[in-house]
Amino acid sequence: DGGITQSPKYLFRKEGQNVTLSCEQNLNHDAMYWYRQDPGQGLRLIYYSQIVNDFQKGDIAEGYSVSREKKESFPLTVTSAQKNPTAFYLCASSTGLRNEQYFGPGTRLTVT
Amino acid sequence: GDSVTQMEGPVTLSEEAFLTINCTYTATGYPSLFWYVQYPGEGLQLLLKATKADDKGSNKGFEATYRKETTSFHLEKGSVQVSDSAVYFCALSLSGGSYIPTFGRGTSLIVHP
Repeated sequence: DGGITQSPKYLFRKEGQNVTLSCEQNLNHDAMYWYRQDPGQGLRLIYYSQIVNDFQKGDIAEGYSVSREKKESFPLTVTSAQKNPTAFYLCASSTGLRNEQYFGPGTRLTVT
Repeated sequence: GDSVTQMEGPVTLSEEAFLTINCTYTATGYPSLFWYVQYPGEGLQLLLKATKADDKGSNKGFEATYRKETTSFHLEKGSVQVSDSAVYFCALSLSGGSYIPTFGRGTSLIVHP
């Protein structure tokens, strides 16, 4: 079955540590995205990538980094510079303009 | 810029009640319009979509009609179930430019037995 996988589902880290969230898709989609969702809030775009080896900052990129070395993979690193990293992180992909996005199941990150 | 405005929630209904969640948009071109649903603790799933004016998207008893004259895409369902309790997001996507869709803030729906 085609889809997007995110791992792990739950992640716990100590403050000051970097952490990488995985996102893999086998839909052959060109575009991939990372969103952050806080309780009762909508989606906020962190980074997006339209093609391999290229990515752009979204609305809240500070404290995050990404890479796009393969079409299928778009990992997100939450660095120690991110002031409030505890949140639900969603990865998505899409193909072509005007088309819908496919979302992964999300990773809930808790930093203490 | 482009934007999507949804009615604030939560919307609280009894089972079998009629549902309307309002969505209006502002866009510089002719967008595709989407409704996504997010169940607790999960990612978003596409519920329905419409790509041009007067199109009606439908799925699982939900419907929405693309109204260009009122720039709206309201979500409706004739008889809601407890299992419909979720957060619903309206979104738009434009051709040309970047691939970034624009989402509304989401509307929480709570259905009581």
